[in-house]
Amino acid sequence: RKEVEQDPGPFNVPEGATVAFNCTYSNSASQSFFWYRQDCRKEPKLLMSVYSSGNEDGRFTAQLNRASQYISLLIRDSKLSDSATYLCVVNGMDSSYKLIFGSGTRLLVRP
Amino acid sequence: NAGVTQTPKFRVLKTGQSMTLLCAQDMNHEYMYWYRQDPGMGLRLIHYSVGEGTTAKGEVPDGYNVSRLKKQNFLLGLESAAPSQTSVYFCASSYPFLDGSQPQHFGDGTRLSIL
Repeated sequence: RKEVEQDPGPFNVPEGATVAFNCTYSNSASQSFFWYRQDCRKEPKLLMSVYSSGNEDGRFTAQLNRASQYISLLIRDSKLSDSATYLCVVNGMDSSYKLIFGSGTRLLVRP
Repeated sequence: NAGVTQTPKFRVLKTGQSMTLLCAQDMNHEYMYWYRQDPGMGLRLIHYSVGEGTTAKGEVPDGYNVSRLKKQNFLLGLESAAPSQTSVYFCASSYPFLDGSQPQHFGDGTRLSIL
């Protein structure tokens, strides 16, 4: 089983739609969670950290469910510029220095 | 405001050749990392360093060596390149942390092809 699992997609949605991605992680002791965004052939960039109580940043909302070991990202009012791959990231099992990256969920927002 | 800089951006090598990828960061970050990214595989950690003069193996270290002689630089070496090392290589850095709470900042990648 992968340490971090994501649906690869693609999720193909119209502009203005609301879309949600989930991610599951295997290490129940993980303490740190992030969502990164990666555009085609570009480097990953931090989108937002994920906190236990859930957090929001504009149109983006992240939730953490420790009991079920999954993380979600909700994007409201999708824009064309939101088209990208979204990476779920969790701190590593065997070392607190390492982050484990999911393979990503691809989002395509169409006009 | 450079952040994390990788050189070169692109390189084509022949099997058996050697080369070094350079990563430089100007954020005074303690931790540095080298990843490779292949289609459908996500980012895989090759080696990492938690401080000047220290290095450690990641998930896929075979065929690579690293050095961290200066805090701001992290070098990745391929001694004898193989076609399986064709990939996009990303360097990242972060502030120190004990619980994985600091995000990593990435360079814009090196696209390496081994023929």
